[in-house]
Amino acid sequence: DIQMTQSPSSLSASVGDSVTITCQASQDISNYLNWYQQKPGKAPNLLIYDASHLDAGVPLRFSGSGSGTDFSLTISSLQPEDAATYFCQQFDTLPYSFGQGTNLEIK
Amino acid sequence: QVQLVESGGDLVKPGGSLRLSCAVSGFSFSDYYMTWIRQAPGKGLEWISYINGRGTTVDYADSVKGRFTISRDNAKNSLYLQMNSLRAEDTAVYFCARGSLYFHHWGQGTLVTVSS
Repeated sequence: DIQMTQSPSSLSASVGDSVTITCQASQDISNYLNWYQQKPGKAPNLLIYDASHLDAGVPLRFSGSGSGTDFSLTISSLQPEDAATYFCQQFDTLPYSFGQGTNLEIK
Repeated sequence: QVQLVESGGDLVKPGGSLRLSCAVSGFSFSDYYMTWIRQAPGKGLEWISYINGRGTTVDYADSVKGRFTISRDNAKNSLYLQMNSLRAEDTAVYFCARGSLYFHHWGQGTLVTVSS
């Protein structure tokens, strides 16, 4: 199975800051990677698909990059509503595994 | 609009069984793969099973293979997950999601607790 490793597991930043979350796959997954945002008690929300494509309605301050084994999600100009847990997900090989999540706190 | 509503979660003893349902509306159900994903309390997401639109292709995570069965009734716009031989480690919120690769639409989840 493909293992997805996210870092950091948690981070704290201020409104207006820029943050980057990384996701590393245990083998080459091309660009078959999605990013999700999850708020407490809610289902995840798709932010980025195919590593770098912004899903409809997602603010432009979110961006994704990477291919192969190394990927990143960047949130620029942080807003209070960005406080959430972020997950990467590979869909190269079944089972379609997720990273363990990154908890983002807004100071 | 697209809606997915899970039901059937409950407290069950180890070794017991449970059947989850996911009722959908707002789209042509038979045109889409459907997926079950779970999340243990305070933990990450785990893909557990998917099924194609006709119900002829299924797959499972190793952690549930041989114990869980995914199925669908396109006439009833419903997805199911039959869970047998439940273990404590199956305790989680179970989500149904539309699609197989990208999950744009999710249900709100249903809680399954396996405990004696």
